[in-house]
Amino acid sequence: DGGITQSPKYLFRKEGQNVTLSCEQNLNHDAMYWYRQDPGQGLRLIYYSQIVNDFQKGDIAEGYSVSREKKESFPLTVTSAQKNPTAFYLCASSMTAARETQYFGPGTRLLVL
Amino acid sequence: AQKVTQAQTEISVVEKEDVTLDCVYETRDTTYYLFWYKQPPSGELVFLIRRNSFDEQNEISGRYSWNFQKSTSSFNFTITASQVVDSAVYFCALSEASRGGSEKLVFGKGTKLTVNP
Repeated sequence: DGGITQSPKYLFRKEGQNVTLSCEQNLNHDAMYWYRQDPGQGLRLIYYSQIVNDFQKGDIAEGYSVSREKKESFPLTVTSAQKNPTAFYLCASSMTAARETQYFGPGTRLLVL
Repeated sequence: AQKVTQAQTEISVVEKEDVTLDCVYETRDTTYYLFWYKQPPSGELVFLIRRNSFDEQNEISGRYSWNFQKSTSSFNFTITASQVVDSAVYFCALSEASRGGSEKLVFGKGTKLTVNP
């Protein structure tokens, strides 16, 4: 089955800790995205990648980092610099970054202990 | 700046009622795309429709229909004969050109639809 997987489903972070959220796709899509969703809010773009070894900051990149070493994978690290990390994180991919439909994974809920 | 407004925060209907979810957008682009996504309680966003700004024809897919009106910058979504399984948060989104020629989506804040039996 083609699709996007995210793991873990729930993640707990202690103060001062970096955590990494996984996103994998087997759709052969070039572009991948990370969004953050807060209660009652729409999605806000954190980072996106148009192609392997390239990525761009979105609207709320501070306190986050990404890598894109493989086409299928786009992990997101929430660093200790992100002071309010509690949110629902959604990964998406699209065939290219130009006007294509984005398809989403099931999401990871991050909670701070 | 581009913006998407979903003025209805929450809507509650009884099963079999028709319901319309409103979406109003602002853009300076002449070419753009509009989207609707459904987010059920599980959390995953499910793609429903993508429309090109040059195509103002209304679209129907089963019980779902979409009314795109450029003159009022609206892209409204109607569910006919609603069912309990339609209960979800629905997001309208607008594609926005960004640096490097890529597109990014600007989302509205969503409308939570509850369909009661």
